[in-house]
Amino acid sequence: KAGVTQTPRYLIKTRGQQVTLSCSPISGHRSVSWYQQTPGQGLQFLFEYFSETQRNKGNFPGRFSGRQFSNSRSEMNVSTLELGDSALYLCASSNWPYKGQPNTEAFFGQGTRLTVV
Amino acid sequence: AQTVTQSQPEMSVQEAETVTLSCTYDTSESDYYLFWYKQPPSRQMILVIRQEAYKQQNATENRFSVNFQKAAKSFSLKISDSQLGDAAMYFCAYRSARDGNQFYFGTGTSLTVIP
Repeated sequence: KAGVTQTPRYLIKTRGQQVTLSCSPISGHRSVSWYQQTPGQGLQFLFEYFSETQRNKGNFPGRFSGRQFSNSRSEMNVSTLELGDSALYLCASSNWPYKGQPNTEAFFGQGTRLTVV
Repeated sequence: AQTVTQSQPEMSVQEAETVTLSCTYDTSESDYYLFWYKQPPSRQMILVIRQEAYKQQNATENRFSVNFQKAAKSFSLKISDSQLGDAAMYFCAYRSARDGNQFYFGTGTSLTVIP
């Protein structure tokens, strides 16, 4: 079974630009969540999608948005990039709502390393 | 909001020895799950062990075990017979039973294994 795939692995963007990151979850998983990882703030929850609907959203500005497609693939977009957006962006998929397996974990991709210059 | 605290930014252990990583959390919920994830330099987050809050028995996975103290809201990870491959960043994580795929992470503990 293929794991969670995130593309691209690395990105360098200029301040003010926008960027789109992609995440393909494990086959059969319909829940995808996104996290921003920085040395100063650690891992912070961005948002979660299930069946093309945003279920939860973290405390990030509106420049951060996302969506999910009918095949469960998800994209996140950051507009008007700032230097502080430089981070590792991780995507996680799970088979929530679990259906009899309530304690399953989230499976993570290898992340996209975004550098804003 | 739930918070997860890891008070040890860095730890080191001699190969073949035992080390314990600490984690405390704060929640008003009674039904939740706790996890330890490992993140090696490759950046891939890998599940080490998980614990259901409704279970009193501590989880064990080979050389990894936890000490779950629900009343104290403590969830420590013990690594026995440490190996060089255990060197990584370890994150403690909390997930509510009703919050789907939303995890709350601690700030991590960087574990060094000394040959």
